[in-house]
Parts: sequence; C-alpha cells; structure tokens
Amino acid sequence: DTEVTQTPKHLVMGMTNKKSLKCEQHMGHRAMYWYKQKAKKPPELMFVYSYEKLSINESVPSRFSPECPNSSLLNLHLHALQPEDSALYLCASSQRQGASGYTFGSGTRLTVV
Amino acid sequence: AQSVTQPDIHITVSEGASLELRCNYSYGATPYLFWYVQSPGQGLQLLLKYFSGDTLVQGIKGFEAEFKRSQSSFNLRKPSVHWSDAAEYFCAVGDSSASKIIFGSGTRLSIRP
Repeated sequence: DTEVTQTPKHLVMGMTNKKSLKCEQHMGHRAMYWYKQKAKKPPELMFVYSYEKLSINESVPSRFSPECPNSSLLNLHLHALQPEDSALYLCASSQRQGASGYTFGSGTRLTVV
Repeated sequence: AQSVTQPDIHITVSEGASLELRCNYSYGATPYLFWYVQSPGQGLQLLLKYFSGDTLVQGIKGFEAEFKRSQSSFNLRKPSVHWSDAAEYFCAVGDSSASKIIFGSGTRLSIRP
C-alpha cells in the first residue's frame, strides 16, 4: 500500500459544528503532516507528528485540534470554525520527519458556512 | 530559515514543445529540494527530489531537474510536454535537519494544442 487516504473528500459544516478529518497510511511512515491550502496558493504547514508525538504546531488556532492515535492514523478535529477556514486540507506522511519527501493524500475540501 | 521562489505564475507551452520551470531557493547549506505536481482539486504528487550527489535528477513522467548551487536554482525540465502535463507545479525546500518542507508559490502550466 503506497497511499495516504483522507476522508471525507468533501465536508460542509456550520460554524457551531464539530467535525473531524481522518488520514490513514499503511506504509510504515513515522511522520505525518497536516497542510492547509487555499485556492491558488501553496500548501501551508499546520502540524507535524513524529512517532505519534506532536513535533511542530505552526501557531494554528485552537479551533483546529490534531490527534495521532497510532502510527497509521492522523485526525484533525474541527470546532467553531470560521468561513475563512474553508480550504483544501491535505495530509501527508514520510518515512521520518522531513527529508525523504512526502506522500500526500487527495485532501478534504472543507466549506464552512 | 529556508525559502523558495518560483518567479513564473503561469506558463503556456505548445504540446510537444520543451518546458523549463524556474525555482530559486535560499538556504545557507545544501538544501533538500523537491518538485511536486498538483492537478485541480487533488493532492500533490512527488516528481523528483535532490538530496546530494549527481546534480541532474531524473523523475517520473519524463521530468528532470538540475541543481545549480552557484545560481541557487533547481529548475524543472521536460523535453516534450503532453496535454496531460497541464497542472500546478510546486518547488519545495527542506533544511538539513529536515523538520519541515516549505513550498514555493507554484507555477500553473497550460498546454496549447
């Protein structure tokens, strides 16, 4: 298995809702990442997990809460989001943090209404 | 801190013509360099990467890139483009500690029939 699987592919949520994004990989990678990508912009790093521990938080607002229950799974819990949080959320993984090049999932298209 | 610049926002080339996408980086030591491609609404796919060694790197889909330390560049080339190459291309740089990868602003490639 050489894929990173993200679910759901599309999500519409209200500003008072709580939802979660899921990311899964079975490549034995020990680093996992969340990126946010606005339209016509490059991906921006949000969080990095290395060996299931949070390694980097790029000053992301607390309404985004990451979780790494095990080495194959990465979640992003969403609560009280704003319309400007609407974006493509990309998950990626790599053998170890950083250097080896990332494998990206197809992303979750999030719309906050 | 590392940074990466892609000076061309949008490039149009004719099908069958050659292609060169420019990328300039800023980093004090030898960086880790990557090229990714993204089709609309999709995740990112790694085309090629450079860590060390031979400065001409071969990638997937017939792409290659050349690392030129003197010019701080890592330009992507393809001798003959196909209509399916139309996409957004991102150059990315990681530092030697490889804690994270930073993306350039991207170059949108259009193919003229």
